[in-house]
Amino acid sequence: QQPVQSPQAVILREGEDAVINCSSSKALYSVHWYRQKHGEAPVFLMILLKGGEQKGHDKISASFNEKKQQSSLYLTASQLSYSGTYFCGTDLGGSNYKLTFGKGTLLTVNP
Amino acid sequence: GAGVSQSPRYKVAKRGQDVALRCDPISGHVSLFWYQQALGQGPEFLTYFQNEAQLDKSGLPSDRFFAERPEGSVSTLKIQRTQQEDSAVYLCASSAQLAADTQYFGPGTRLTVL
Repeated sequence: QQPVQSPQAVILREGEDAVINCSSSKALYSVHWYRQKHGEAPVFLMILLKGGEQKGHDKISASFNEKKQQSSLYLTASQLSYSGTYFCGTDLGGSNYKLTFGKGTLLTVNP
Repeated sequence: GAGVSQSPRYKVAKRGQDVALRCDPISGHVSLFWYQQALGQGPEFLTYFQNEAQLDKSGLPSDRFFAERPEGSVSTLKIQRTQQEDSAVYLCASSAQLAADTQYFGPGTRLTVL
């Protein structure tokens, strides 16, 4: 079942913060976050595993709440380069490791 | 090192034609995935290979879609008798391990069926 992302779109000024949420109705094994710019390949940001801690690099971090089956992506002090569509991909575990992606969140960072 | 590459990048086909889309995964990657991405949507799973074995093809929309990875490296997605609803971007991804691991995506092939 497709995870639900919110918000669908967000507009920021450079330096502002944003949070993108990803919720599933099923128990998750892992959550994968990607950013995709128009016409380009999705670029991997981070993976969160069940039982794992919050992760982050640079000014982008993420958490995974197992009780709620929800992951949140935190972007702090946004830069122009953060603009793009953010997708969460969920993995229910099992033996094929396929990802089910949400519909995406369009992030626009303006100067 | 080289990432995942796909060819062609763009393909225009007339309705009813057959097409073949190629994916070159990162060298040594065991797992290979094909996804279909419609405009404004997230990627949708089509099929999964572990080396040369196709272990999951539950996402293939119809029997007109066929994928292979005969030597466990390069993969080809073939669509027979293309229809307009097949128009989409077809993404290939590979990952190094069998366990849940980072999937690295290629740039995709944009298929337009007229």
